[in-house]
Amino acid sequence: ELKVEQNPLFLSMQEGKNYTIYCNYSTTSDRLYWYRQDPGKSLESLFVLLSNGAVKQEGRLMASLDTKARLSTLHITAAVHDLSATYFCAVDSDMRFGAGTRLTVKP
Amino acid sequence: NAGVTQTPKFRVLKTGQSMTLLCAQDMNHEYMYWYRQDPGMGLRLIHYSVGEGTTAKGEVPDGYNVSRLKKQNFLLGLESAAPSQTSVYFCASSWRPGNMNTEAFFGQGTRLTVV
Repeated sequence: ELKVEQNPLFLSMQEGKNYTIYCNYSTTSDRLYWYRQDPGKSLESLFVLLSNGAVKQEGRLMASLDTKARLSTLHITAAVHDLSATYFCAVDSDMRFGAGTRLTVKP
Repeated sequence: NAGVTQTPKFRVLKTGQSMTLLCAQDMNHEYMYWYRQDPGMGLRLIHYSVGEGTTAKGEVPDGYNVSRLKKQNFLLGLESAAPSQTSVYFCASSWRPGNMNTEAFFGQGTRLTVV
């Protein structure tokens, strides 16, 4: 059965710093998704990664996928307060989610 | 453009009562999903559908039933609600995986409390 693990589950960082969130999954998959959720809100799509070596960037966020290692990363560059949210990865065509990483960016 | 609409947004049920949550999408998506979100556990897939008239079990299907009689609607039923089903329920829809734009679009959620 597919298992999706994210780490860290909680991340507190200062503005201006860089950090990486990791998403590991247990079975072969060629597609991975990253979503953002603000408190009390729904989820919005950030990235869709469809092949090994895929890299996508939007603003201060960059996502990559290594299907051989079954690993995706979400890299945050020069964090700002507006990035505070919970970030989820999801895998495969039936969208299995990780537990999420709650990110807090402090001034 | 409505996207994915869930009805109702809030509901309180007594143990043993039944109810149906409605999800409607206007994007002509083939795939639809029902998730529950509990603190610290991310989103867990309850059931999903890959097309009209089809349904499949997800990670936590027990105590729930679904139907997809029309392509645009995906219903989630609780036949006999239990306090363990207190949660926030999210519906989502997407194109089938062969399409490049396969991200899921989520509804606003239904907060269900079973007392």
